[in-house]
Amino acid sequence: GIQVEQSPPDLILQEGANSTLRCNFSDSVNNLQWFHQNPWGQLINLFYIPSGTKQNGRLSATTVATERYSLLYISSSQTTDSGVYFCAVNAGNNRKLIWGLGTSLAVNP
Amino acid sequence: GAGVSQTPSNKVTEKGKYVELRCDPISGHTALYWYRQSLGQGPEFLIYFQGTGAADDSGLPNDRFFAVRPEGSVSTLKIQRTERGDSAVYLCASSTNPTRRVNTGELFFGEGSRLTVL
Repeated sequence: GIQVEQSPPDLILQEGANSTLRCNFSDSVNNLQWFHQNPWGQLINLFYIPSGTKQNGRLSATTVATERYSLLYISSSQTTDSGVYFCAVNAGNNRKLIWGLGTSLAVNP
Repeated sequence: GAGVSQTPSNKVTEKGKYVELRCDPISGHTALYWYRQSLGQGPEFLIYFQGTGAADDSGLPNDRFFAVRPEGSVSTLKIQRTERGDSAVYLCASSTNPTRRVNTGELFFGEGSRLTVL
């Protein structure tokens, strides 16, 4: 089945810094989503982005489907950005989301 | 409702007991999913409903797990004879009916039900 790899696994930032998170996937996808799981466990939709570029405030994402990767950019990070960022994809003839292991982000004040 | 609602938020039970977890999806969403997340891992697919029927239950770990969605809205995940290994956060998500035949569409998750089996 399709493999999803995220990097880096862990990231520590000082408040105000920028960062780029990467998601590589091993096959063509129908769907790709980025989620933020906050320290209370809630999974929050960031982007639904099977291809192209989207921006929402300090966050933006780009998926290059032909090269099988997606990037999540966080600018001017804040302590509330802390948590785990997951990339999840859907591929093939089913409706399962396949998840990476996440990037654990800590933003220090 | 405004978002996906799951109850209970926390459930502690003893090994061997029966547990029910409830999910109320976003109004108008026809697709409903159950996932399970263990500590330090990404969510793991359990089952998918399109309307009232379970379109894909290939992720259910064994026959102790069962889920229903009798009226095409609220769903209940049922776990019989719970084991310590069933301890996890059980997540429910919903999405609108995808326009493409094989695409999940955008999924929206509830806050999860944390199950602890002692």
